[in-house]
Amino acid sequence: QSVLTQPPSVSAAPGQKVSISCSGSSSNIANNYVSWYQQLPGTAPKLLIYDNNERPSEIPDRFSGSKSGTSATLGITGLQTGDEADYYCGAWDSSLSAYVFGPGTKVTVL
Amino acid sequence: EVHLVESGGGLEQPGGSLRLSCAASGFTFTNYAMTWVRQAPGRGLEWVSTISASGQSTYYADSVKGRFSISRDNSKLSLQMNSLRAEDTALYYCAREPSNSTWYSDYWGQGTLVTVSS
Repeated sequence: QSVLTQPPSVSAAPGQKVSISCSGSSSNIANNYVSWYQQLPGTAPKLLIYDNNERPSEIPDRFSGSKSGTSATLGITGLQTGDEADYYCGAWDSSLSAYVFGPGTKVTVL
Repeated sequence: EVHLVESGGGLEQPGGSLRLSCAASGFTFTNYAMTWVRQAPGRGLEWVSTISASGQSTYYADSVKGRFSISRDNSKLSLQMNSLRAEDTALYYCAREPSNSTWYSDYWGQGTLVTVSS
């Protein structure tokens, strides 16, 4: 059972927008920074968002992150077939003294 | 260009030991904390362990505490895995931690597969 909760899957048509939620608690999301990772099939994870809403320079601005209280959200606009992947949120948990990942959300482009 | 290359995985019996390595290049290794993350077949990501840039601080998931040991030397990260269990079967990734104050990994290797089975 993951400390962070994500929907198992989301889907949308090409060009549309999807939002992926990541729900946690005061010991993780509320008081620590959230990061998001994209894992394309058969590849290593790739950093998409760090420090709640910061993007590495190579990540397009179609990807965005936000946080409010004990929840965080990854948004993907202008959905492309190449965005089909698993997406994971992560945060340090101060109570567990451990880094925790969400269970992952599979994005499908219809 | 940052490169992380894991090695040392393989098939081991329950109760056995393996030592994973991660060769780092393209950055000043001693300036960065490093992390191991694993992924069981068909499952999600699980953080395993992190070592500070100096090597003086280490952190472990409860699932591996007391059995695994993380270390670093020059440009190599290691993970000594003892008392292996079937549930340790996974692809093990090493990753770089670019921040001293927040937790996230900006570069990942391609992983090395550990299979624990009799």
